[in-house]
Amino acid sequence: GAVVSQHPSRVICKSGTSVKIECRSLDFQATTMFWYRQFPKKSLMLMATSNEGSKATYEQGVEKDKFLINHASLTLSTLTVTSAHPEDSSFYICSATRTSGSSADTQYFGPGTRLTVL
Amino acid sequence: LAKTTQPISMDSYEGQEVNITCSHNNIATNDYITWYQQFPSQGPRFIIQGYKTKVTNEVASLFIPADRKSSTLSLPRVSLSDTAVYYCLVGDSGAGSYQLTFGKGTKLSVIP
Repeated sequence: GAVVSQHPSRVICKSGTSVKIECRSLDFQATTMFWYRQFPKKSLMLMATSNEGSKATYEQGVEKDKFLINHASLTLSTLTVTSAHPEDSSFYICSATRTSGSSADTQYFGPGTRLTVL
Repeated sequence: LAKTTQPISMDSYEGQEVNITCSHNNIATNDYITWYQQFPSQGPRFIIQGYKTKVTNEVASLFIPADRKSSTLSLPRVSLSDTAVYYCLVGDSGAGSYQLTFGKGTKLSVIP
């Protein structure tokens, strides 16, 4: 159990276009989902936290108008990179938890999405 | 903000036991300790989680001393497929939910 999927696994787009990445919890209801980005040979950096039905909370330095997050249901969250530029090229990873109230609640990660902006 | 410190890298031969220690001096009373494994171009995979003393599952053991200021992940008889980056995390309370702050992790290289 506790499987998280992401789609697409990789995407290449032209500069200035928008890209949507989906994160789904396949066998559990995810109250909270997190979005991370990871540059080559670097650690994961938390971008935002989203709870179903409410606005996402963004980390300092992350532009909310550029990285639009929607958590419309308990099994789906989407990240849209708007007007993508080459510097947005990165590995984007989502994670999901069943609840939001305890650090004991395990985060289950998706396989990641490789975004390349030309 | 709970921070963690781990060795940047470790090497081990196949078949040996590997112990990776993580320091988390500012761990809060209600924080759990969680370890993840990450292969290149993949999302992190949950290994083990604990609060105190010792936890064991089918892949690893986690040792936590009484003061909880550190923890040690023990991997028995590693194989080449255990070559990966291992992250130690403690929870941070923020925005009404617990977030995980990833440190640099430990790159484990298993040598034949």
